[in-house]
Amino acid sequence: DAGITQSPRHKVTETGTPVTLRCHQTENHRYMYWYRQDPGHGLRLIHYSYGVKDTDKGEVSDGYSVSRSKTEDFLLTLESATSSQTSVYFCAIRDRERGYNSPLHFGNGTRLTVT
Amino acid sequence: DAKTTQPNSMESNEEEPVHLPCNHSTISGTDYIHWYRQLPSQGPEYVIHGLTSNVNNRMASLAIAEDRKSSTLILHRATLRDAAVYYCILLISSGSARQLTFGSGTQLTVLP
Repeated sequence: DAGITQSPRHKVTETGTPVTLRCHQTENHRYMYWYRQDPGHGLRLIHYSYGVKDTDKGEVSDGYSVSRSKTEDFLLTLESATSSQTSVYFCAIRDRERGYNSPLHFGNGTRLTVT
Repeated sequence: DAKTTQPNSMESNEEEPVHLPCNHSTISGTDYIHWYRQLPSQGPEYVIHGLTSNVNNRMASLAIAEDRKSSTLILHRATLRDAAVYYCILLISSGSARQLTFGSGTQLTVLP
């Protein structure tokens, strides 16, 4: 394992409620990512971080915000969950210091259902 | 964006070699080719990557065409545990995370 823990693993929530997903790493890597995976769309990048308090948007960032106050934690927040945000969410880390070509390492995902 | 094209699905018999193709005709000179796989109910797992030369590791081999517009992931002896979705992606040289784009991948079925 690459030392990535996602929590919770499963969550069911109601439309309109806020939800926060957590990604925790023990590798001290600078780069962290949030992806969502839906049938027919593969994995799509939501947001990423390249350091503490340094974040940027991915291709499907609308409706999501992120925060990174410590190297080891990257939080994904749905301010007001909608049914279209029902998905499996994956966190990934990358040791950018090993070079541009360093691979991603993924967590085991959080399955979120918005009813 | 540099994109990749893969077949939706492939089948292989157990203990036979498997060649998974990927087309990336818009690849730039310094873009790396990465392969990941995803087993059911798990996150994607890194398999191998390369730039120009063929690469080997304990999991697989990567054969890259001379013009770099295509590549092939080779599993030398498929096992039932290799049944997964295999993704070919390009990691552009600028390192921008926006370009770490996964396609729909190839679903590999391994028959006993």
